Amino acid sequence: EIVLTQSPGSLSLSPGERATLSCRASQSVSSNYLAWYQQKPGQAPRLLIYGASSRATRIPDRFSASGSGTDFTLTISRLEPEDFAVYYCQQYGSSPYTFGQGTKLEIK
Amino acid sequence: EVQLVESGGGLVQPGGSLRLSCSASGFTFSNYAIYWVRQAPGKGLEYVSTINSNGVTTYYADSVKGRFTISRDNSKNTLYLQMSSLRPEDTAVYYCVTRITLIYWGQGTLVTVSS
Repeated sequence: EIVLTQSPGSLSLSPGERATLSCRASQSVSSNYLAWYQQKPGQAPRLLIYGASSRATRIPDRFSASGSGTDFTLTISRLEPEDFAVYYCQQYGSSPYTFGQGTKLEIK
Repeated sequence: EVQLVESGGGLVQPGGSLRLSCSASGFTFSNYAIYWVRQAPGKGLEYVSTINSNGVTTYYADSVKGRFTISRDNSKNTLYLQMSSLRPEDTAVYYCVTRITLIYWGQGTLVTVSS
């Protein structure tokens, strides 16, 4: 089983700042099948990024992602008030399709 | 438009059983693997189980192995999760998820295991 470790566990920033979230895998993610999600209270996760770096439909271009193998990064270039939420990474290259523990992005 | 709609959640006593359903539309259901993910209150996302496109191959998280059974009816475009010997720690919102290049999630159904 691939273990995903997200860092930091929480991040306190102000609107307009840049956020950088990390996801590290315990072994290489097959075909870079790595997704990033945003989740707000009471809502299902929202797909932001798939295939490690491809933005999903209608995701603003302030969200970008990179990485391959075992190290992946999600960057939010200029935080908007609606971006404060919990972010998860998920690998879907090999079963079980594991998730990171999440990074909580809070308003400073 | 791809849609996944879960149903069947509710309150059940420890040791009880429940069957969840996920009704799919907007894509050729029989062509794609599909899986269940759950989220306990205030906790992170946990993978539960996968079934391949024709229903032959399944995979379970250790936490549910031997207690949960995943199945599908491709003629009805429906995914199921039969849950038995339920425990309080199975309390969660259960989501069905599929990947068709993009990854699609349902809105979830809440299962509460409590006496």
